[in-house]
Amino acid sequence: RKEVEQDPGPFNVPEGATVAFNCTYSNSASQSFFWYRQDCRKEPKLLMSVYSSGNEDGRFTAQLNRASQYISLLIRDSKLSDSATYLCVVNPRRNSNTGKLIFGQGTTLQVKP
Amino acid sequence: EAQVTQNPRYLITVTGKKLTVTCSQNMNHEYMSWYRQDPGLGLRQIYYSMNVEVTDKGDVPEGYKVSRKEKRNFPLILESPSPNQTSLYFCASSNGTSGMGSNTQYFGPGTRLTVL
Repeated sequence: RKEVEQDPGPFNVPEGATVAFNCTYSNSASQSFFWYRQDCRKEPKLLMSVYSSGNEDGRFTAQLNRASQYISLLIRDSKLSDSATYLCVVNPRRNSNTGKLIFGQGTTLQVKP
Repeated sequence: EAQVTQNPRYLITVTGKKLTVTCSQNMNHEYMSWYRQDPGLGLRQIYYSMNVEVTDKGDVPEGYKVSRKEKRNFPLILESPSPNQTSLYFCASSNGTSGMGSNTQYFGPGTRLTVL
Protein backbone atom coordinates (compact mmCIF):
# COMPACT_ATOMS: atom_id res chain seq x y z
CA ARG A 1 0.00 0.00 0.00
CA LYS A 2 1.32 3.45 -0.89
CA GLU A 3 1.96 5.81 2.01
CA VAL A 4 -0.13 8.53 0.40
CA GLU A 5 -2.84 7.64 -2.09
CA GLN A 6 -4.93 9.77 -4.37
CA ASP A 7 -7.37 9.01 -7.14
CA PRO A 8 -5.48 10.22 -10.24
CA GLY A 9 -8.70 11.14 -12.05
CA PRO A 10 -9.10 13.03 -14.27
CA PHE A 11 -12.10 14.73 -12.77
CA ASN A 12 -13.96 16.51 -15.56
CA VAL A 13 -16.41 19.07 -14.23
CA PRO A 14 -18.32 22.03 -15.69
CA GLU A 15 -17.59 25.58 -14.64
CA GLY A 16 -19.36 26.46 -11.43
CA ALA A 17 -19.43 22.92 -10.12
CA THR A 18 -18.29 21.87 -6.67
CA VAL A 19 -15.67 19.14 -6.65
CA ALA A 20 -13.97 17.28 -3.81
CA PHE A 21 -10.80 15.22 -3.69
CA ASN A 22 -9.71 12.84 -0.99
CA CYS A 23 -6.26 11.65 -0.06
CA THR A 24 -5.52 8.79 2.31
CA TYR A 25 -2.32 8.30 4.28
CA SER A 26 -1.06 5.15 5.96
CA ASN A 27 1.08 6.47 8.81
CA SER A 28 -1.13 7.38 11.75
CA ALA A 29 1.75 9.38 13.29
CA SER A 30 1.76 11.85 10.39
CA GLN A 31 1.63 15.40 11.63
CA SER A 32 1.60 17.84 8.75
CA PHE A 33 -0.58 17.88 5.67
CA PHE A 34 -0.70 20.09 2.61
CA TRP A 35 -2.31 20.51 -0.75
CA TYR A 36 -0.08 21.67 -3.60
CA ARG A 37 -1.14 22.61 -7.08
CA GLN A 38 0.87 21.71 -10.17
CA ASP A 39 0.17 23.09 -13.65
CA CYS A 40 1.18 21.10 -16.70
CA ARG A 41 4.55 19.71 -15.44
CA LYS A 42 5.57 23.03 -13.96
CA GLU A 43 6.77 23.31 -10.40
CA PRO A 44 4.31 22.52 -7.59
CA LYS A 45 3.08 25.48 -5.56
CA LEU A 46 1.51 25.42 -2.13
CA LEU A 47 -2.25 25.77 -2.27
CA MET A 48 -2.97 25.42 1.41
CA SER A 49 -1.90 23.71 4.59
CA VAL A 50 -4.43 21.43 6.26
CA TYR A 51 -5.15 22.05 9.91
CA SER A 52 -6.87 19.73 12.36
CA SER A 53 -9.81 22.09 12.69
CA GLY A 54 -10.19 22.43 8.93
CA ASN A 55 -9.48 25.61 7.05
CA GLU A 56 -10.92 27.67 4.25
CA ASP A 57 -9.36 30.01 1.75
CA GLY A 58 -11.90 31.58 -0.56
CA ARG A 59 -13.43 28.84 -2.68
CA PHE A 60 -11.12 26.19 -1.25
CA THR A 61 -11.75 24.19 1.92
CA ALA A 62 -9.37 21.62 3.39
CA GLN A 63 -10.34 19.05 6.01
CA LEU A 64 -8.39 16.50 8.02
CA ASN A 65 -9.92 13.31 9.37
CA ARG A 66 -7.35 11.66 11.65
CA ALA A 67 -9.59 8.77 12.65
CA SER A 68 -9.97 7.64 9.05
CA GLN A 69 -6.56 8.96 8.00
CA TYR A 70 -7.56 11.10 5.09
CA ILE A 71 -7.52 14.71 4.05
CA SER A 72 -9.86 16.36 1.61
CA LEU A 73 -9.96 19.38 -0.64
CA LEU A 74 -13.23 20.97 -1.66
CA ILE A 75 -13.38 23.48 -4.51
CA ARG A 76 -16.58 25.48 -4.88
CA ASP A 77 -17.71 27.36 -7.96
CA SER A 78 -14.98 25.83 -10.16
CA LYS A 79 -13.21 28.13 -12.61
CA LEU A 80 -11.45 27.20 -15.82
CA SER A 81 -8.24 28.35 -14.14
CA ASP A 82 -8.65 25.67 -11.47
CA SER A 83 -7.68 23.05 -14.06
CA ALA A 84 -4.48 21.52 -12.71
CA THR A 85 -3.12 18.56 -10.80
CA TYR A 86 -3.61 18.70 -7.04
CA LEU A 87 -0.95 17.00 -4.95
CA CYS A 88 -1.55 15.73 -1.44
CA VAL A 89 1.57 16.01 0.74
CA VAL A 90 2.21 14.41 4.12
CA ASN A 91 5.06 14.73 6.59
CA PRO A 92 5.21 11.20 8.03
CA ARG A 93 7.50 12.09 10.95
CA ARG A 94 9.06 8.63 10.84
CA ASN A 95 11.71 8.10 13.54
CA SER A 96 11.38 11.73 14.63
CA ASN A 97 12.69 12.75 11.24
CA THR A 98 10.99 15.89 10.11
CA GLY A 99 12.76 16.36 6.81
CA LYS A 100 10.91 13.82 4.69
CA LEU A 101 7.82 14.61 2.74
CA ILE A 102 5.64 12.09 0.95
CA PHE A 103 3.71 13.21 -2.11
CA GLY A 104 0.66 11.55 -3.56
CA GLN A 105 0.71 11.02 -7.30
CA GLY A 106 -1.82 13.80 -7.75
CA THR A 107 -5.42 14.22 -8.85
CA THR A 108 -6.05 15.90 -12.18
CA LEU A 109 -8.94 18.33 -12.46
CA GLN A 110 -10.25 19.59 -15.77
CA VAL A 111 -12.87 22.30 -15.63
CA LYS A 112 -14.86 22.63 -18.85
CA PRO A 113 -16.74 25.70 -20.05
CA GLU B 1 12.70 38.33 -6.39
CA ALA B 2 12.60 35.35 -4.04
CA GLN B 3 13.22 32.23 -6.05
CA VAL B 4 14.76 28.81 -6.47
CA THR B 5 16.79 28.36 -9.64
CA GLN B 6 17.94 25.16 -11.29
CA ASN B 7 20.40 24.59 -14.10
CA PRO B 8 20.28 23.22 -16.64
CA ARG B 9 16.56 23.19 -17.39
CA TYR B 10 16.94 20.50 -20.03
CA LEU B 11 19.70 17.95 -20.45
CA ILE B 12 20.20 14.97 -22.71
CA THR B 13 23.21 12.84 -21.86
CA VAL B 14 24.56 9.33 -22.26
CA THR B 15 24.91 6.51 -19.79
CA GLY B 16 27.89 6.84 -17.47
CA LYS B 17 28.74 10.47 -18.12
CA LYS B 18 28.87 12.29 -14.78
CA LEU B 19 26.61 15.29 -14.46
CA THR B 20 25.61 17.88 -11.90
CA VAL B 21 22.33 19.74 -11.65
CA THR B 22 22.70 22.93 -9.68
CA CYS B 23 20.11 24.39 -7.33
CA SER B 24 20.29 27.79 -5.70
CA GLN B 25 17.89 29.74 -3.48
CA ASN B 26 18.05 33.38 -2.45
CA MET B 27 15.67 33.20 0.52
CA ASN B 28 18.22 32.18 3.18
CA HIS B 29 16.30 28.94 3.68
CA GLU B 30 17.82 26.26 5.88
CA TYR B 31 16.01 23.30 4.35
CA MET B 32 16.55 22.15 0.78
CA SER B 33 15.44 19.02 -1.00
CA TRP B 34 15.58 17.19 -4.33
CA TYR B 35 12.70 15.29 -5.91
CA ARG B 36 12.15 13.35 -9.06
CA GLN B 37 8.78 13.13 -10.74
CA ASP B 38 7.76 10.21 -12.91
CA PRO B 39 4.39 9.40 -14.51
CA GLY B 40 2.20 7.36 -12.20
CA LEU B 41 4.64 7.67 -9.31
CA GLY B 42 4.34 11.33 -8.36
CA LEU B 43 7.15 13.22 -6.69
CA ARG B 44 9.64 11.14 -4.75
CA GLN B 45 12.22 12.62 -2.45
CA ILE B 46 15.85 11.86 -3.33
CA TYR B 47 17.84 13.73 -0.69
CA TYR B 48 17.25 16.60 1.65
CA SER B 49 19.34 18.90 3.78
CA MET B 50 18.35 20.46 7.06
CA ASN B 51 21.27 22.89 7.02
CA VAL B 52 24.82 23.42 5.81
CA GLU B 53 26.85 20.18 5.92
CA VAL B 54 23.76 18.19 6.97
CA THR B 55 22.22 15.89 4.37
CA ASP B 56 19.94 12.86 4.59
CA LYS B 57 18.54 10.28 2.23
CA GLY B 58 15.00 10.51 1.01
CA ASP B 59 13.08 7.60 -0.42
CA VAL B 60 15.04 7.09 -3.65
CA PRO B 61 18.69 8.09 -3.04
CA GLU B 62 20.37 5.30 -5.03
CA GLY B 63 22.53 6.62 -7.84
CA TYR B 64 22.57 10.19 -6.54
CA LYS B 65 24.83 12.31 -4.37
CA VAL B 66 24.37 15.76 -2.92
CA SER B 67 26.41 18.31 -1.03
CA ARG B 68 25.56 21.35 1.04
CA LYS B 69 28.69 23.43 1.47
CA GLU B 70 26.82 26.71 1.40
CA LYS B 71 23.36 27.59 2.56
CA ARG B 72 22.13 28.78 -0.81
CA ASN B 73 23.35 25.88 -2.99
CA PHE B 74 22.36 22.23 -3.07
CA PRO B 75 23.72 20.49 -6.18
CA LEU B 76 22.52 17.05 -7.27
CA ILE B 77 25.25 14.82 -8.64
CA LEU B 78 24.80 11.76 -10.84
CA GLU B 79 28.18 10.02 -10.89
CA SER B 80 27.20 7.45 -13.50
CA PRO B 81 23.77 8.21 -14.93
CA SER B 82 21.62 5.38 -16.21
CA PRO B 83 18.47 5.41 -18.37
CA ASN B 84 16.25 4.75 -15.32
CA GLN B 85 17.30 8.17 -14.03
CA THR B 86 15.51 9.82 -16.93
CA SER B 87 13.02 12.01 -15.13
CA LEU B 88 11.83 15.49 -14.22
CA TYR B 89 13.81 16.80 -11.25
CA PHE B 90 12.73 19.48 -8.82
CA CYS B 91 14.71 21.27 -6.17
CA ALA B 92 12.86 22.89 -3.28
CA SER B 93 13.65 24.97 -0.22
CA SER B 94 11.83 26.06 2.90
CA ASN B 95 12.43 28.01 6.04
CA GLY B 96 12.16 26.85 9.62
CA THR B 97 14.14 25.32 12.42
CA SER B 98 12.14 22.41 13.78
CA GLY B 99 9.70 20.50 11.67
CA MET B 100 11.17 21.78 8.47
CA GLY B 101 9.06 19.50 6.41
CA SER B 102 6.06 21.30 7.85
CA ASN B 103 6.86 24.60 6.22
CA THR B 104 5.93 25.85 2.76
CA GLN B 105 8.28 24.48 0.15
CA TYR B 106 9.27 26.68 -2.77
CA PHE B 107 10.12 24.70 -5.87
CA GLY B 108 12.51 25.43 -8.67
CA PRO B 109 11.27 25.30 -12.28
CA GLY B 110 12.45 21.74 -12.83
CA THR B 111 15.17 20.01 -14.85
CA ARG B 112 14.14 17.54 -17.50
CA LEU B 113 16.88 14.93 -17.79
CA THR B 114 17.12 12.26 -20.45
CA VAL B 115 19.78 9.56 -20.17
CA LEU B 116 20.34 7.59 -23.37
